[in-house]
Amino acid sequence: DTGVSQDPRHKITKRGQNVTFRCDPISEHNRLYWYRQTLGQGPEFLTYFQNEAQLEKSRLLSDRFSAERPKGSFSTLEIQRTEQGDSAMYLCASSSGTGGYYNEQFFGPGTRLTVL
Amino acid sequence: GNSVTQMEGPVTLSEEAFLTINCTYTATGYPSLFWYVQYPGEGLQLLLKATKADDKGSNKGFEATYRKETTSFHLEKGSVQVSDSAVYFCALSSRGGSARQLTFGSGTQLTVLP
Repeated sequence: DTGVSQDPRHKITKRGQNVTFRCDPISEHNRLYWYRQTLGQGPEFLTYFQNEAQLEKSRLLSDRFSAERPKGSFSTLEIQRTEQGDSAMYLCASSSGTGGYYNEQFFGPGTRLTVL
Repeated sequence: GNSVTQMEGPVTLSEEAFLTINCTYTATGYPSLFWYVQYPGEGLQLLLKATKADDKGSNKGFEATYRKETTSFHLEKGSVQVSDSAVYFCALSSRGGSARQLTFGSGTQLTVLP
């Protein structure tokens, strides 16, 4: 399977704990995106990497959230001191990047986070 | 800012019925428009897209036409099948900026009964 993969698929944690999610994009894709999807809503953009550079961050990404893509391949999203409001599906997507034109984003299956 | 408003669901249809899911948008400039589909237990998949006014995107019997004058991108299918049961998301991507981040609607759950 050469699609976008995410790990873990499900995470249950207690309020106040730190969690980390991993995303492995399609190997030749240089762009990587994180989205958050709450129940009954569409995905909301969190952040975007081109290669290892984090180029955009949404205001949804509070100081408790940090994302990295150290070698321009896989990415991690860490949430510190989790709150119940962080419960959501966290989606990763990747795309190739060629200039200013849209390139299809391929989505992973997501990591469902439940904060108790 | 950019926003997408989608027809609220859930929508329940009988097999072979005609489907319309309404989508309107607000965006600066001339966005690209998309329909994504999420089948149960699977990730989001691009269903179709249109990148300029009057373009028609089509795939798997689904169609949507980019209407700039009404800022709409309604999804249609002439005869739905049980296998079309899924959640459908309308989305846009602005031409400006480097991210090409997607702005999604809230999704419409479609159930097709045999």
